[in-house]
Order: sequence, then structure tokens, then C-alpha cells
Amino acid sequence: QVQLVQSGAEVKKPGASVKVSCKASGYTFTSYAMHWVRQAPGQRLQWMGWINVGSGNTKYSQKFQGRVTITRDTPASTVYMELSSLRSEDTAVYYCARAGAGAAGNDYWGQGTLVTVSS
Amino acid sequence: QSALTQPASVSGSPGQSITISCTGTSSDVGRYNYVSWYQQHPGKAPKLMIYDVSNRPSGVSNRFSGSKSGNTASLTISGLQAEDEADYYCSSYTGSSFVVFGGGTKLTVL
Repeated sequence: QVQLVQSGAEVKKPGASVKVSCKASGYTFTSYAMHWVRQAPGQRLQWMGWINVGSGNTKYSQKFQGRVTITRDTPASTVYMELSSLRSEDTAVYYCARAGAGAAGNDYWGQGTLVTVSS
Repeated sequence: QSALTQPASVSGSPGQSITISCTGTSSDVGRYNYVSWYQQHPGKAPKLMIYDVSNRPSGVSNRFSGSKSGNTASLTISGLQAEDEADYYCSSYTGSSFVVFGGGTKLTVL
């Protein structure tokens, strides 16, 4: 069965960077793109970007352009999302989500990783 | 890219039908048939309910249906059940490989 397992919660200081991992299993890793979506406490879902896992090509939301980097390690079936220059407003749950339904539907989601930014 | 517009809340009684709207622009919802809907219960990851405007993934109840007219997409839930109470989000492809989500709608089953 398809599973996306994310790394554990992180606490970071303002200005630092965080790297969240998403390990995929149960399907051909390179056949599906992977998106990253975040959700601040009590707030809406916010799309951050995605990676074509086969080619490594990426696309980032203009809101995060310059601060976010999405990469993949094909042998490890793992996608990474790194966010730099963290500020308190980046405190959120970060999700990876497979793009496996139609043109842009995310059919499987990771369990989420809470990133807390606090001095 | 501005968020798609959804009502903050909707409510209905068990057995009734409700519709949640998702309004975008001619650059996203109006241009592409790539609207998805997600259900999210508190503390849980979102679950895909509808993709490409009106397609249901395997395992999703046929009480959930999607449609689109112009710049507005809609999610209809018929035969409301207590377990349908959740937050619902729409999303749309916007061209140039970008995606945008709606602001979310809280569904209350009375």
C-alpha cells in the first residue's frame, strides 16, 4: 500500500533552516510528482511547491520563492523540503502529498511534520 | 496568487444536501478542469474527495460530487452524515505548474 512517512517535529530559532523528509513506499517512486503543502495553526492549506520526481524539476510558489528548496533522493525513495530564513510565521504543519489523481489531485498525504519557530 | 474564495462555514441537518462553492478567476478555475476537493478532520491530514472537477477517487462515497460553472466550482454532499463534519478545501491548477488552495469551509452537521 502507498505510504508517505515524514520526519519528526522540529523546533528552530528565527533565521535558521529546517529540512523535512518524506519517505515513499508502495509505488514506483519516480512515476509521480510530489507536492509540499503547509498549514499554520487554525489556518488554511497553503501550497508551497512541487517536484517532478523523475526529472528533478521543481516549481515553487512565489510566496516561498528563494526560501524553499525541494529535492529528492531516488535510491532512498525520499523527497526533502528545506525552508530557510525561518520566522515565527513559518510555524506550521508541513505535509508532503503525492500528485497521483488526474492533473493536480493529491491522492496520498504524509502524516504531517510540525515545525515550530521560536526564540 | 490569491487564494480561491470559499464560504467560511456551511451547515445542514443529517440527510440533507449541502453545496460548497469555490470561486476563482478565468486564470485558474475558469480556465482548467483541474479542481480538487479535500476533506480534513481536526488534527488529520487532508483526504482527496474529488479531482479534475468531478472525478471521485476509489473508496470515496458517491454522496460526494463536484461540478464547475465558469469561474466557480462546487462540491455537493448529499445525505449528510455526522462523519461529514469537517473542513473542506478546494484547489486549482493555475497554469505554469502552480497550484492554489481555497480558504477552507467548515461544515457543521446540525
